[in-house]
Amino acid sequence: SYELTQPVSVSVALGQTARIPCGGDHIGSKNVYWYQQKPGQAPLLVIQRDTNRPSGIPERFSGSKSEYTATLTISGAQAGDEADYYCQVWDSSTVIFGGGTILTVL
Amino acid sequence: QITLEESGPTLVKPTQTLTLTCTFSGFSLRTNGVGVGWVRQPPGKALEWLALIYWDDDKRYSPSLRSRLTIARDTSKNQVVLTVTNVDPVDTATYYCAHRPPGGSDYFDFWGQGTLVTVSA
Repeated sequence: SYELTQPVSVSVALGQTARIPCGGDHIGSKNVYWYQQKPGQAPLLVIQRDTNRPSGIPERFSGSKSEYTATLTISGAQAGDEADYYCQVWDSSTVIFGGGTILTVL
Repeated sequence: QITLEESGPTLVKPTQTLTLTCTFSGFSLRTNGVGVGWVRQPPGKALEWLALIYWDDDKRYSPSLRSRLTIARDTSKNQVVLTVTNVDPVDTATYYCAHRPPGGSDYFDFWGQGTLVTVSA
């Protein structure tokens, strides 16, 4: 079965750029989605179809992708961006989530 | 405005059947391309997709849980029901329902607030 691999945690200094990778076999051929989840809250879609921000998501959130890795980039990270981040793809009629990454803003 | 709300028991005994209801508004499950899915999250763990039902009543299930899951819709009530049979303490989790927008692949753009279900004797 298809798997997505994320680092358990990523740290970033306040105001700097955070990059959260999501690895998967030939992920370059799939649409990748990113969700932000803060404690006690439901997930929030922040990137759809690799690079597109839904309405209301700040411009500092962006997505990119290569053949084996998708990356969520948060430019000028703020304290309010501390959260868990999950990547997601659709493969063989199955929704697959990555294991999640805890983002800490120092 | 799309909203979804999960409801169901907060405590279930092992081996029982868990039935959860998602009541939604702001969209129709008859609209081409639309779907409603269920995702769960054990305490302190990652998101896990469970099932998805589409506008045409097609259904998809997580391969690892397929034998224990049933998803169904009631379009007249704007509800989607998920049943999980033979529950175990490992099924303790927050269960979310979410809106799948029209388009080529499955993802979720609106989520309910989730409902915590504990499986314990």
